[in-house]
Amino acid sequence: EDKVVQSPLSLVVHEGDTVTLNCSYEVTNFRSLLWYKQEKKAPTFLFMLTSSGIEKKSGRLSSILDKKELFSILNITATQTGDSAVYLCAVESGSARQLTFGSGTQLTVLP
Amino acid sequence: DAGVTQSPTHLIKTRGQQVTLRCSPKSGHDTVSWYQQALGQGPQFIFQYYEEEERQRGNFPDRFSGHQFPNYSSELNVNALLLGDSALYLCASSLFGTPNTEAFFGQGTRLTVV
Repeated sequence: EDKVVQSPLSLVVHEGDTVTLNCSYEVTNFRSLLWYKQEKKAPTFLFMLTSSGIEKKSGRLSSILDKKELFSILNITATQTGDSAVYLCAVESGSARQLTFGSGTQLTVLP
Repeated sequence: DAGVTQSPTHLIKTRGQQVTLRCSPKSGHDTVSWYQQALGQGPQFIFQYYEEEERQRGNFPDRFSGHQFPNYSSELNVNALLLGDSALYLCASSLFGTPNTEAFFGQGTRLTVV
């Protein structure tokens, strides 16, 4: 059975801090790993990673995948209160490209 | 460009009743997947529809069924509702056969079973 584990489950930081969110996985027929941000309802797409060792960057957010050790990290630098959200890691697998999600990391950024 | 739209946004049902949730995919997408997200958990895959057929199914009982229409919109039906079916139901759309492209999610339907 495919499994995705995220850590930590929750994190409270102050504005300006840097955070690292972790995601490990065990899936058959891996296609890609995705990060989503969920504030209220709809998860919004952040990154899709398919190759090991290639960092993807968008502003203060960056992510990297290690396909040998089966994990990914999401970094957020200079955090802002608007970064407060649940960050979901998902692995895409199979011919249907279904997503298996972790439980998420609840990030709270205090002013 | 309309994104993924779901209706209704909220719904309250009684145990044993039946419910139908609706999803219109993003313009240009032809594949719809449904997910159930319980409070404090990540979304769980229910099933996927493409070409009006169920292509893949997650670990959900037969009480959960679906349909896809020729215009690619989709419905999720849940029969004999249980309290444990209370959750946020998310619809995601994608374009079949296009690797390295992400799925887009709708705002979800919050179902409460009392």
